[in-house]
Amino acid sequence: DAKTTQPPSMDCAEGRAANLPCNHSTISGNEYVYWYRQIHSQGPQYIIHGLKNNETNEMASLIITEDRKSSTLILPHATLRDTAVYYCIVRVGVSVSQGNLIFGKGTKLSVKP
Amino acid sequence: GAVVSQHPSWVICKSGTSVKIECRSLDFQATTMFWYRQFPKQSLMLMATSNEGSKATYEQGVEKDKFLINHASLTLSTLTVTSAHPEDSSFYICSASSLAGGTGYNEQFFGPGTRLTVL
Repeated sequence: DAKTTQPPSMDCAEGRAANLPCNHSTISGNEYVYWYRQIHSQGPQYIIHGLKNNETNEMASLIITEDRKSSTLILPHATLRDTAVYYCIVRVGVSVSQGNLIFGKGTKLSVKP
Repeated sequence: GAVVSQHPSWVICKSGTSVKIECRSLDFQATTMFWYRQFPKQSLMLMATSNEGSKATYEQGVEKDKFLINHASLTLSTLTVTSAHPEDSSFYICSASSLAGGTGYNEQFFGPGTRLTVL
């Protein structure tokens, strides 16, 4: 699986949008971009995933550049409960039989009042 | 989303004893379960992948005789840390997925984790 690069930490004011970048310059055409987050001392939580189109769900939006070499996870109105480590992962396909989720170091997002 | 539980949520044991951690998929049948380990301030490291009814596949560097994995049913996988030592103290997390699409997206859903402390 392709490797990803994320900033180690970011701060965001409560109520503002949090934009978390991820570089995946070696991504292959059949690899998806996944985002998970891990709140302290809990298991990871799935947020969103996409292939090449932008995606939105109730939690976040995922913007993938046209060349697919980078993406941005957007939390539109960050709250204190969004403080967590956010992991950007690329993986072939959407089936676990096509590859495991390999976690990097992620970005520690701190939402401040 | 699908719910995965782990039991116990934390455990303290003496060095040399064995500890069993359970991972259950509560509202779907998990054909594949994963076990991860996370040391303080580090990321999750995949230990092994198990498919129901077959032997687990261990990642390089993970001792299969020390970390026994059993996935006997579609809703339960267990990880037994045998002869635990202080260096085995860690946060153990399982995840589950269903190839049958029972989870909706064939995604991995994670349990809340088990904190193991070996004295």
